[in-house]
Amino acid sequence: DSGVTQTPKHLITATGQRVTLRCSPRSGDLSVYWYQQSLDQGLQFLIQYYNGEERAKGNILERFSAQQFPDLHSELNLSSLELGDSALYFCASSVVDQPEAFFGQGTRLTVV
Amino acid sequence: QKEVEQDPGPLSVPEGAIVSLNCTYSNSAFQYFMWYRQYSRKGPELLMYTYSSGNKEDGRFTAQVDKSSKYISLFIRDSQPSDSATYLCAMSAPYSGAGSYQLTFGKGTKLSVIP
Repeated sequence: DSGVTQTPKHLITATGQRVTLRCSPRSGDLSVYWYQQSLDQGLQFLIQYYNGEERAKGNILERFSAQQFPDLHSELNLSSLELGDSALYFCASSVVDQPEAFFGQGTRLTVV
Repeated sequence: QKEVEQDPGPLSVPEGAIVSLNCTYSNSAFQYFMWYRQYSRKGPELLMYTYSSGNKEDGRFTAQVDKSSKYISLFIRDSQPSDSATYLCAMSAPYSGAGSYQLTFGKGTKLSVIP
């Protein structure tokens, strides 16, 4: 158990809908990263938050957004969902100034 | 050319064999190198972390980084059926903002260790 908690584990929704994925980082970790894993693209970095502020952005679509709250949990919001958004979404956390990231168990999103 | 290349396998070996997994990369700014193990439908689990060039050993696992060749390896000695998983290499460059280490992953090598 990495100590990173993600909910829900599975999500099935229809095209055009909006969903919110939640992540609680390890105790003491200030950085939260979101990654998307699909069969063809592998694990891709989406966005990073550090102590409540956006720190880095990767290949994140404009339909996707995230935030980190004062208690350090983070949410990834996916809107206007398309079939191609079906993937595993992982959250990872790390201690400040340490590159090792610890991953949660992921949320499997299926868009139908 | 992708930033990180990793042979997807699958790789099948008998129990007790030495397994060699590797990745090549093109971004010379990468300084932090990691290996993750991912079981089916689970999150990636950090196995090894190495900074810059050199070797690191942890039990049956040895990680090697050769920055001059832009090549990293993971060796598994005395492989066990429980080692059957997908192995992902990951690497990061330091960014100007403190605390930002986004990882670039290889696509993973699927390993099966046959009893």
